[in-house]
Formats: sequence, structure tokens, C-alpha cells
Amino acid sequence: GAVVSQHPSWVICKSGTSVKIECRSLDFQATTMFWYRQFPKQSLMLMATSNEGSKATYEQGVEKDKFLINHASLTLSTLTVTSAHPEDSSFYICSAGELPGGPPEAFFGQGTRLTVV
Amino acid sequence: AQSVTQLDSHVSVSEGTPVLLRCNYSSSYSPSLFWYVQHPNKGLQLLLKYTSAATLVKGINGFEAEFKKSETSFHLTKPSAHMSDAAEYFCVVSVGTGFQKLVFGTGTRLLVSP
Repeated sequence: GAVVSQHPSWVICKSGTSVKIECRSLDFQATTMFWYRQFPKQSLMLMATSNEGSKATYEQGVEKDKFLINHASLTLSTLTVTSAHPEDSSFYICSAGELPGGPPEAFFGQGTRLTVV
Repeated sequence: AQSVTQLDSHVSVSEGTPVLLRCNYSSSYSPSLFWYVQHPNKGLQLLLKYTSAATLVKGINGFEAEFKKSETSFHLTKPSAHMSDAAEYFCVVSVGTGFQKLVFGTGTRLLVSP
């Protein structure tokens, strides 16, 4: 089955620094990837849609200058949390689907737990 | 707009007893619906999916769900709970033609006691 790999699985950073999270589709190509955020004991909230070769589409209320998304290839999307603050501490998860013709479900990475101290 | 409502934030069962996790959806057209499971500090695993084929959908680990249009429901069931089933379960609906853009329910935490 389709595999999405997310790295790192956890990261601790100092307030004011930037953190990059990678999301890779290992055995399929994904023109679109999605980034979600999950606060403790809450559901997943879509942050943005990452489109290969073009700008990401952000959901309302998500700061695009703070959460930089790059989707430079069909197998890699990155989320960079810039100038991180403690309130950015959260669980970030990406998802991807195969190009048209693949199964209808999205495949999720294992998530990244970000702690900003 | 598409949305899902998970009616129970927590469900507690004893091992070996049936599991019922409830989900109602709202959609302006025939939706694609999914159930995902999340174990602590882990990513999400697809349990099963409904995409306008058979209304009774069988998934992994003995789970199944029935799509009932008249009730706008997609409840998840399992005949006999196992300790390893303890996790967070999300009912999810796809948005628009890009079926991979998903809207999540608030989740139901399943607790299984010995």
C-alpha cells in the first residue's frame, strides 16, 4: 500500500527558531499533499493544501508567513514553522493521495510532535 | 458544506463486548466517508471507506460501518472489542471533488476494560 513518511517524528526547539518538517510519499506520486494540526485531545484541523509546483492554499486563520509550505517535487512537501513560539507546540500531520487513478483515501504520515520551549 | 458529527467523545466497553461509535454526516451531495484510527502519538490508519458502492463496508481488524442515507449516518461497529482497539477514532468526510481534502469529526476515544 501507499506509504507516507514524515520526518522528524518529534522535535524540540527554542522559541524564536525555525523548524522544518518533511513529508514524503515513498512509493507513489502526489500532486497534492495536506498539512494538519492537532492540539492535545482535539481533532485534526486542516492548515493548508500543498500543490506541487505552485503556492500552497491556506485555510482561514492560518498564517502563511509563519507556516511556510514548499512542494518542490511529486514526492516531497515541507512545512517550516518560522520563529516558533510555545503556542505553536502541537502535533503536525501530513497526508497525500495518489495521482488520479489511485484509491480515494488519503494516506497519512506518522506525525511530528513539535515542542517549543 | 460537508461536516461530520461524532456523537460521543468517549465510549467505554468491556473486552469481548460489541463496539458502536456513532457518526452523522452533512453533505450537499453523495459523500465519501472514512473511519480512521489513531493510537497515542501515532499517525492515522484507515479502518474503512465508503465511496458510493456497497452501503455496508467492511474494514480491517473486524470493524465495519453502514452508510444510511435516510439517517445521514455512518456508524462504526465491531462485534467483539479487543484491548488493542483502545484508541481515538475519527469519522471523516471528503470535501468537494478533491476527495483527499478531508473534514474530521471531533473524535471518539474508545476505552476497553478487561
